Amino acid sequence: KAGVTQTPRYLIKTRGQQVTLSCSPISGHRSVSWYQQTPGQGLQFLFEYFSETQRNKGNFPGRFSGRQFSNSRSEMNVSTLELGDSALYLCASSFGDWNSNEQFFGPGTRLTVL
Amino acid sequence: AQSVAQPEDQVNVAEGNPLTVKCTYSVSGNPYLFWYVQYPNRGLQFLLKYITGDNLVKGSYGFEAEFNKSQTSFHLKKPSALVSDSALYFCAVRFDTGRRALTFGSGTRLQVQP
Repeated sequence: KAGVTQTPRYLIKTRGQQVTLSCSPISGHRSVSWYQQTPGQGLQFLFEYFSETQRNKGNFPGRFSGRQFSNSRSEMNVSTLELGDSALYLCASSFGDWNSNEQFFGPGTRLTVL
Repeated sequence: AQSVAQPEDQVNVAEGNPLTVKCTYSVSGNPYLFWYVQYPNRGLQFLLKYITGDNLVKGSYGFEAEFNKSQTSFHLKKPSALVSDSALYFCAVRFDTGRRALTFGSGTRLQVQP
């Protein structure tokens, strides 16, 4: 079974631009979560989707948004990029929406904002 | 509020020796506890989880973890370390009700010397 895939793997943008990152979960998984990983702040939760509905949102500004499609694929969008948005963005999927489910992570998208 | 602490930024151990990576969590319900490992330029890989039942949980690659409710700890252990175990290890917690997002510790870098 294929794992979680994320595209693109690397991205370079300039301040003020916007970016869209894509995540394809493991086949059959309906829950997708997004995390931001930086050296200073560590791993921080962005949002979670289940069956096309946002179930949870972390403490990030409104510039960060996401959505999930009927095939469970998810995208996240960051508008008006800032230097501090440079990070590794990780997507994770799980089978159901139970809190006991482990999440399976993709390789991440490395975003650099210049 | 849920939180998890990894008190050691780095753990050094000689190959063949036992290793322990520490994790403690704050209590506001019944915790679900997870360990993940991250290799350079890779996403997080699931190692093991505690949901309920036996306090000693066995996971991938020979790792195990012991849940201690009185000490609110979930330390990761391995009887004999390998050089290939060198990586970044994250403990994460989620509670059985309420907030569904995984809360991660700050990570512990394990260095196994040959």
